[in-house]
Amino acid sequence: DIQMTQSPSTLSASIGDRVTISCRASLSIRDWLAWYQQKPGKAPQLLIYRASNLQGGVPSRFSGSGSETEFTLTISSLQPDDFVTYYCQQYQSYPYTFGQGTKLEIK
Amino acid sequence: QVQLVQSGAEVKKPGASVKVSCKASGYTFTSHYIHWVRQAPGQGLEWMGIINPITGSTDYAQKFQGRVTVTRDTSTNTVYMELSSLRSDDTAVYYCARDVGQDEYFDYWGQGTLVTVSS
Repeated sequence: DIQMTQSPSTLSASIGDRVTISCRASLSIRDWLAWYQQKPGKAPQLLIYRASNLQGGVPSRFSGSGSETEFTLTISSLQPDDFVTYYCQQYQSYPYTFGQGTKLEIK
Repeated sequence: QVQLVQSGAEVKKPGASVKVSCKASGYTFTSHYIHWVRQAPGQGLEWMGIINPITGSTDYAQKFQGRVTVTRDTSTNTVYMELSSLRSDDTAVYYCARDVGQDEYFDYWGQGTLVTVSS
């Protein structure tokens, strides 16, 4: 199985900050990576697909980059609604696997 | 609009089985694979399996092989996930999610179904 490792697990930041979340794959997944945002008690929502493509309707302050084994999700200017949990996911091969999640907290 | 509507919460005893449904609407059912993902309380996301709605062929995570069965009913555009031999650590919210096509990322999710396993 491909292991996905996210860092950090928790990130404290302030409104307006620029933050970056990292995701590392245990072997190359080319750019078969998605990022999801999950609000408490809700299903995850797609933010980014193919590592760097913004899903329709997602604010442009979200961006993704990377390839092979190293990926990042960047939020350019944090808004109050962004302080939730984020997951990366590889869809290169079964079983699809997720990172353990990064919880964004208000500093 | 695309919707995936799941069945309601369940409480089961250890050793029992549970069957969760996911009814799709707002798109051509056979054009998109459906996945099942679960999330234990306070934990991350775990992929369980996938079904091709045209052929009914499935693929499951090794962890659930022999305990999970995903089926579909094309007459009602509904996918089912049955998990047997339930244990307390199967307590989780179970989500169905639509594949953007075939073997890709998930663009729509169901609202989730809480399955509680308790004696």
